Amino acid sequence: NAGVTQTPKFQVLKTGQSMTLQCAQDMNHNSMYWYRQDPGMGLRLIYYSASEGTTDKGEVPNGYNVSRLNKREFSLRLESAAPSQTSVYFCASRQDRVDEKLFFGSGTQLSVL
Amino acid sequence: EDKVVQSPLSLVVHEGDTVTLNCSYEVTNFRSLLWYKQEKKAPTFLFMLTSSGIEKKSGRLSSILDKKELFSILNITATQTGDSAVYLCAVLYSGGGADGLTFGKGTHLIIQP
Repeated sequence: NAGVTQTPKFQVLKTGQSMTLQCAQDMNHNSMYWYRQDPGMGLRLIYYSASEGTTDKGEVPNGYNVSRLNKREFSLRLESAAPSQTSVYFCASRQDRVDEKLFFGSGTQLSVL
Repeated sequence: EDKVVQSPLSLVVHEGDTVTLNCSYEVTNFRSLLWYKQEKKAPTFLFMLTSSGIEKKSGRLSSILDKKELFSILNITATQTGDSAVYLCAVLYSGGGADGLTFGKGTHLIIQP
């Protein structure tokens, strides 16, 4: 009954450090997403993957890279973290054209000092 | 420009009141509109609406879609303090480039005892 699993739940970085946020889903979904959520800004799409091996930029991709490692896993990498990347990050997945509902992970609270 | 606009952005009411949250959208090739509730962590799914005029209901919550006027409302009757949350509206549409799922900024609802 795991659904979408995101790690870590919390992270503090110094400016310039790198890190990877991990996401895995066990629902056999084809589409996976990374969002960031900032106060007053709603959920903004960083990157999207419609299927294994494909990724596309969303609204705010600068400073991030992604990898769709296989159907289950979609990771988000910050190569050189900046204070502007302090945010709450959510991974999500859905089965496009079958069930339009988006299922979310529990989120990662990231602070960049 | 924003494709999905929610109003009000914040709302404070007393327990027992009825509230109406609004979501208007402007997209082509509309597929569905989704409502989510977000408390401390990940958004949780409430409703998905695809057809005009058909009310979806779950306990004290209900929602309806007007595809002619391009909006949806979420009603909560006899509000309780546990209804305090951010309510997110998202619209799914075809041909949206990297992603056809856009969120509004959310309505922050506070229920006072």
